Amino acid sequence: GDSVTQMEGPVTLSEEAFLTINCTYTATGYPSLFWYVQYPGEGLQLLLKATKADDKGSNKGFEATYRKETTSFHLEKGSVQVSDSAVYFCALSDPFGTSYDKVIFGPGTSLSVIP
Amino acid sequence: ETGVTQTPRHLVMGMTNKKSLKCEQHLGHNAMYWYKQSAKKPLELMFVYSLEERVENNSVPSRFSPECPNSSHLFLHLHTLQPEDSALYLCASSQDLSYEQYFGPGTRLTVT
Repeated sequence: GDSVTQMEGPVTLSEEAFLTINCTYTATGYPSLFWYVQYPGEGLQLLLKATKADDKGSNKGFEATYRKETTSFHLEKGSVQVSDSAVYFCALSDPFGTSYDKVIFGPGTSLSVIP
Repeated sequence: ETGVTQTPRHLVMGMTNKKSLKCEQHLGHNAMYWYKQSAKKPLELMFVYSLEERVENNSVPSRFSPECPNSSHLFLHLHTLQPEDSALYLCASSQDLSYEQYFGPGTRLTVT
């Protein structure tokens, strides 16, 4: 079945450091890919998305490129801030695959940014 | 403001109580979801509704009972819960199945 794998956390970075959170997926169809963010005490928020190969999603300085050849959707940001401290979830939806009726979430990666 | 609201935000209940969680979406979406989020565990999908019909029930214990009276409202009725049911319960909605989901802030449930 469809699945999402994320790098294990927690990740701790200093302010202004470069961020990469790896995400790879397995899907039988042609999924859409998402990154969600969850700030402390809140629900998940859609951060960015990409719906086909080579698309780049971007928002709030974060970027991720849909790489079909490596089945990856890594999240990057050039300079993190303390306010970026949160848990990040990679996810996919696959309307023509086994997860046709839902979004599949990865386990989440906790990021802490220290001043 | 995500367009999905949940009440109450916090709930403490004893194991013999009956309570309900409420979710409302103001986005005109057709699908709604309940998730359970426990510490150190992946997000668990509990129930999926599409056009007010339940389309998925992921082997959830019967002490959790969902209700979707219309496409804007979703309830989770709770009775005879166990301490291990303490968690953050998240509601989400989407335009249709497989579209990106929009989440509410969650209800933090503690079972004593």
